[in-house]
Amino acid sequence: GNSVTQMEGPVTLSEEAFLTINCTYTATGYPSLFWYVQYPGEGLQLLLKATKADDKGSNKGFEATYRKETTSFHLEKGSVQVSDSAVYFCALSAPYSGAGSYQLTFGKGTKLSVIP
Amino acid sequence: GAVVSQHPSRVICKSGTSVKIECRSLDFQATTMFWYRQFPKKSLMLMATSNEGSKATYEQGVEKDKFLINHASLTLSTLTVTSAHPEDSSFYICSARSRGIDPNYGYTFGSGTRLTVV
Repeated sequence: GNSVTQMEGPVTLSEEAFLTINCTYTATGYPSLFWYVQYPGEGLQLLLKATKADDKGSNKGFEATYRKETTSFHLEKGSVQVSDSAVYFCALSAPYSGAGSYQLTFGKGTKLSVIP
Repeated sequence: GAVVSQHPSRVICKSGTSVKIECRSLDFQATTMFWYRQFPKKSLMLMATSNEGSKATYEQGVEKDKFLINHASLTLSTLTVTSAHPEDSSFYICSARSRGIDPNYGYTFGSGTRLTVV
């Protein structure tokens, strides 16, 4: 089956530090890959995505590159801000035969805290 | 962009009562709705998938008689937690997508419902 493994948190960084959150996946076929962000008490928001090998998703200074050879989709940001404090989820989308529809498979989430 | 409105955001109920959570797609037709449960410091656990007009498909271990899902229209899906108990306390999130939207573009999530059963 499909699975996503991401680094355990929590991660605590000082403002303007470099961020990397590792994510690797296992899937049959060619999944699409996503990073979602969840701010405290809220639902999930799509942060960025990549749909094929070597694609780079980017948004709000965050980047992730779809690496098929290493089955990875690591999230990076060059200079984090306090407002980036949230939980980040790596996810993949692949056909779900049970319901005849695509289904997201999530990693366990990584909590990021950025301190001034 | 696509918006899913989820209500209520927080609810406290007595043990043994039922609670209904609604998710409405405001500007698109949600042909498929996913319901998740999120435990503290844990990832999202998919509970069920529903296609409009069809019975929901429940994940293994999820009690269909306890977590009733209705997806009778293209803009509304509901999750009813029946005879709630303290162990049902959790954060419930819905997610929707439209058949007309490429799944590669991601899914639209509701803002979540914090259920506390006392």
